[in-house]
Amino acid sequence: GAVVSQHPSWVICKSGTSVKIECRSLDFQATTMFWYRQFPKQSLMLMATSNEGSKATYEQGVEKDKFLINHASLTLSTLTVTSAHPEDSSFYICSAIVAGVNVDTQYFGPGTRLTVL
Amino acid sequence: QKEVEQNSGPLSVPEGAIASLNCTYSDRGSQSFFWYRQYSGKSPELIMFIYSNGDKEDGRFTAQLNKASQYVSLLIRDSQPSDSATYLCAVSLSGGYNKLIFGAGTRLAVHP
Repeated sequence: GAVVSQHPSWVICKSGTSVKIECRSLDFQATTMFWYRQFPKQSLMLMATSNEGSKATYEQGVEKDKFLINHASLTLSTLTVTSAHPEDSSFYICSAIVAGVNVDTQYFGPGTRLTVL
Repeated sequence: QKEVEQNSGPLSVPEGAIASLNCTYSDRGSQSFFWYRQYSGKSPELIMFIYSNGDKEDGRFTAQLNKASQYVSLLIRDSQPSDSATYLCAVSLSGGYNKLIFGAGTRLAVHP
């Protein structure tokens, strides 16, 4: 099956620092990846669509200058949370698209838990 | 605003029973429908998808789709305590480049 990895699985940082999260498709190529955020007891919130070789598209209300996305290869997308603050503490999850005959399917990475002190 | 509605639960069923999870959606143009399972503190994992009206079976799981009623459901037969998790219904956004809209999830508790 399709395997998506994320690194790191958890990170603790000080307020004002930047944190980079990597998302990799291990056994397939992904031209499209998505980045989600999930707060406790809430559902997934789509932050942005990451397209290989082009700029990411951000959902309404998501600050593109704060959440920098780079999709430099067909197997790697990165999310950098710049100048992180405690309110950015959340569970960040990426997904990658696997194209199917009738349906394209999203497979999720294991997530990165970010805590900003 | 395109929406996906699920009963938050918890839905409590005894071990061995059938668990029935329901979902309604507002986007009439949606073509693909997904069920994900999410254990506490973990990321979602795909259970199955459906895109045609009717039933689709995969092991103990059956997805049902009724596009006219904008309704999709998941049945879990012979429920096990290990099935206890939050089940997320996700619907493809029409014209949305593979974007999914997620429901808030239904928490299922299977008790021995």
